[in-house]
Amino acid sequence: QSALTQPASVSGSPGQSITISCTGTSSNVGGYNLVSWYQHHPGKAPKLMIYEDIKRPSGVSNRFSGSKSGNTASLTISGLQAEDEADYYCFSYAGSNTYIFGGGTQLTVL
Amino acid sequence: QVQLQESGPGLVKPSQTLSLTCTVSGDSISSGRYYWNWIRQPAGKGLDWIGRIHSSGTSNYNPSLKSRATISLDTSKNQFSLNLNSLTAADTAVYFCARASFYHSHIDALDVWGQGTRVTVSS
Repeated sequence: QSALTQPASVSGSPGQSITISCTGTSSNVGGYNLVSWYQHHPGKAPKLMIYEDIKRPSGVSNRFSGSKSGNTASLTISGLQAEDEADYYCFSYAGSNTYIFGGGTQLTVL
Repeated sequence: QVQLQESGPGLVKPSQTLSLTCTVSGDSISSGRYYWNWIRQPAGKGLDWIGRIHSSGTSNYNPSLKSRATISLDTSKNQFSLNLNSLTAADTAVYFCARASFYHSHIDALDVWGQGTRVTVSS
């Protein structure tokens, strides 16, 4: 199974909003409300930012939001801050008790 | 506060078996409320789900590993482990363990992660 498709990189200036897409198929992203998003600063433990497509765990800033349309899920970060610079990964159920990550997106805050 | 900590050899030889352990503190792996997962990240690449196990004994794996991976539980030590056999250089990666909440047996969130342990496969 191939990784879900994410842009390799996105960038934005402080205060701006950016959106990271995660495209799959009806067998994974589009077939279930089970997309989650992770923030990963290299050398540290990844952090859960969004789960079940749109839900935000307690303690995660409301600047982070998730959405989905068809086979594409999206993570939007509003009011960009320097500490948001990291790698972001989507993750989805892929059927038959297997799971798949996106290829990852490197976010640069200019 | 729940914490996960990976441990294992940093260097293993090709064709050998890698054994990693994840020690869980602040939660019981026997509770049945979570799945326990292994994930890896080759250098310069993205995250790759390896597999998961539940306290019931149910385990599932990434089919790309072609049955080389086995995940097991040691409830007496509150640990779970990964064995990966027939190693090649392609298995060189940082290996993470993670706890997953679930809905109707499907993972909906990997909510607690370890810091990761680097493994190099080389002779």
